[in-house]
Amino acid sequence: AQKITQTQPGMFVQEKEAVTLDCTYDTSDQSYGLFWYKQPSSGEMIFLIYQGSYDEQNATEGRYSLNFQKARKSANLVISASQLGDSAMYFCAMRDLNRDDKIIFGKGTRLHILP
Amino acid sequence: EAGVAQSPRYKIIEKRQSVAFWCNPISGHATLYWYQQILGQGPKLLIQFQNNGVVDDSQLPKDRFSAERLKGVDSTLKIQPAKLEDSAVYLCASSRYSGAGELFFGEGSRLTVL
Repeated sequence: AQKITQTQPGMFVQEKEAVTLDCTYDTSDQSYGLFWYKQPSSGEMIFLIYQGSYDEQNATEGRYSLNFQKARKSANLVISASQLGDSAMYFCAMRDLNRDDKIIFGKGTRLHILP
Repeated sequence: EAGVAQSPRYKIIEKRQSVAFWCNPISGHATLYWYQQILGQGPKLLIQFQNNGVVDDSQLPKDRFSAERLKGVDSTLKIQPAKLEDSAVYLCASSRYSGAGELFFGEGSRLTVL
């Protein structure tokens, strides 16, 4: 069965430091996509970054990069030069491109950026 | 382009009452999802539509929850009768087509059951 695991319930990071949010996944399929979403206290879900299972290079979007290690089934989010506005919940999600296109989310990591 | 629209934003009801949530996806998006997000947890998929057909409703409590997507556009999620544990944010999301691309989420409908 598909599963997303985020082992860090909460993290505190000093402003301007880089931060890595962990995500591991479990699937028996070869074709899938991995996402990261940010959810600030306002509740909206903001798409950050996407990595396809066949993409050979790690995805990057501005300050966000996805450290994709397929053999280890991990898809960690790296935020460089963290800012106060990065304080939010972060969710890792997986889209199964073969099995009805189901998209499941992890339990999330709450990130606190300290001034 | 307009985003995913949801209403109402907030709803407070007593247990055993009924409630309905409405979602209008982004124009042209074939796939529509309803998620339930309980406070402090990740979104849990309730039901997934492809056009107006149900693709996955395995986690929908069918004794009290129902959902439909008329003409492959708008969707309605209904709860009847509501229980205390249904208190959550109900998120609607859409995707242009199956197999690729991110989900676009609405602002959510926050339900409080007293």
